[in-house]
Amino acid sequence: SQQGEEDPQALSIQEGENATMNCSYKTSINNLQWYRQNSGRGLVHLILIRSNEREKHSGRLRVTLDTSKKSSSLLITASRAADTASYFCATSDTGRRALTFGSGTRLQVQP
Amino acid sequence: DAGVIQSPRHEVTEMGQEVTLRCKPISGHNSLFWYRQTMMRGLELLIYFNNNVPIDDSGMPEDRFSAKMPNASFSTLKIQPSEPRDSAVYFCASSPEGGARAEAFFGQGTRLTVV
Repeated sequence: SQQGEEDPQALSIQEGENATMNCSYKTSINNLQWYRQNSGRGLVHLILIRSNEREKHSGRLRVTLDTSKKSSSLLITASRAADTASYFCATSDTGRRALTFGSGTRLQVQP
Repeated sequence: DAGVIQSPRHEVTEMGQEVTLRCKPISGHNSLFWYRQTMMRGLELLIYFNNNVPIDDSGMPEDRFSAKMPNASFSTLKIQPSEPRDSAVYFCASSPEGGARAEAFFGQGTRLTVV
């Protein structure tokens, strides 16, 4: 079963715009991670935010975590065509010791 | 380091045949994971090893699936006999810390087609 659910399932924007993806999860977590997957490739880690953190930045990426609402968001600022990919949130819950992935958001950035 | 290496990249086999997927994790990583990805079910954890010991195999679909990690640098996922519903992309990932405390590094995957 999937722990996280991303919203929206698909997102299409113009280059230069910001992209926001949301993730909701069900159980208590140790950390939440975001990954990116280009078509036909493996997943690449983007950012990890721990349960006691509320916000984290990495380059053009900004991640927030609200443990009271069991939700997280990933913001990509000034998007580029090369950001076109699927983005997944993954949670490390206190019961299971491996990452559980959500269903992903397919992002299309139009040049 | 070359990253997580999986082989083969593509495998086409007939129903009933045995399939073996291989994985070489990043040197020094003590956690290894096998995931399966399909359009219908997304990314599913099959099994997780820590220090070569299976910790969580609750995701292994049935007895037709088995996984081994004979040493820190090699793991296999075997399907015997294979069925068309096993068609998917199988990913191996490794992590420098136990479980999901740190980021996971994924291989390029093996695309399995069972006809």
